[in-house]
Amino acid sequence: GAVVSQHPSWVICKSGTSVKIECRSLDFQATTMFWYRQFPKQSLMLMATSNEGSKATYEQGVEKDKFLINHASLTLSTLTVTSAHPEDSSFYICSVVTPTDGANVLTFGAGSRLTVL
Amino acid sequence: AQTVTQSQPEMSVQEAETVTLSCTYDTSESDYYLFWYKQPPSRQMILVIRQEAYKQQNATENRFSVNFQKAAKSFSLKISDSQLGDAAMYFCAYRRAGNQFYFGTGTSLTVIP
Repeated sequence: GAVVSQHPSWVICKSGTSVKIECRSLDFQATTMFWYRQFPKQSLMLMATSNEGSKATYEQGVEKDKFLINHASLTLSTLTVTSAHPEDSSFYICSVVTPTDGANVLTFGAGSRLTVL
Repeated sequence: AQTVTQSQPEMSVQEAETVTLSCTYDTSESDYYLFWYKQPPSRQMILVIRQEAYKQQNATENRFSVNFQKAAKSFSLKISDSQLGDAAMYFCAYRRAGNQFYFGTGTSLTVIP
C-alpha cells in the first residue's frame, strides 16, 4: 500500500503566525489528497480535497483564507494555517486514496498536532 | 449529506472474548463503500476492514468481520478473540463515489486483561 509522510508531527506557534504542514505520498502519485481535522476524543472532519494543479475543494464551513492548501506536485500537498489562533489548535491529518485490491482506500499520514499559544 | 452514526462512545471487552461495535449510516446513493478504521494511541489511522455495498457477502479479515445489512443501513464490526493490541478508537467510515470519506464519531474500545 501507499506510504504517506506528514511533517511536522507537532508544532507550537504563537498566535498570529502562520504554520505550514506538508503531506507527501512517498510511493504513489496522488492527484488528490484529503485534509482532515480532529479535535481531542472526536471524529475526523473532512476539511478539504486537495487537487494537483488546481484549486482545493473546501467542505462547507471551512475558511479557505484561513486554511490554504497547495498541491503543486503529484507527491506533495501543503496545508498552511494562516494567522493562527488558539482555536486552530488541533490534530491535522492528511490522506491519500489508493487502489487496493480493486477498491479505493484511504491511507493516512501520522498527523500533525498544532498548538497555538 | 452522508451521516455516519456510532452509538457506542465506549465499549470494553475481556481479553479473548468477542465484541461488536455498531455503525449506521444514512445515504441515498446506491454505490458506496464502508470501512472500519482503527486509531491506536499513536493516532495513526489504520484500515481494519472494508465492504463494498454491492456485495452481499460480509467481509472478513482474520479476527475481524462485519455484519452488513444494506436495507437497514447498518455496518457493525465484530472482533473475535480480542487482544490487548485491539484497544483503540474505532471509526466507521462511508466512502462516496467521489472518494470523499465521512467518519462516525468513534467508539473507544478497552480490552481488559
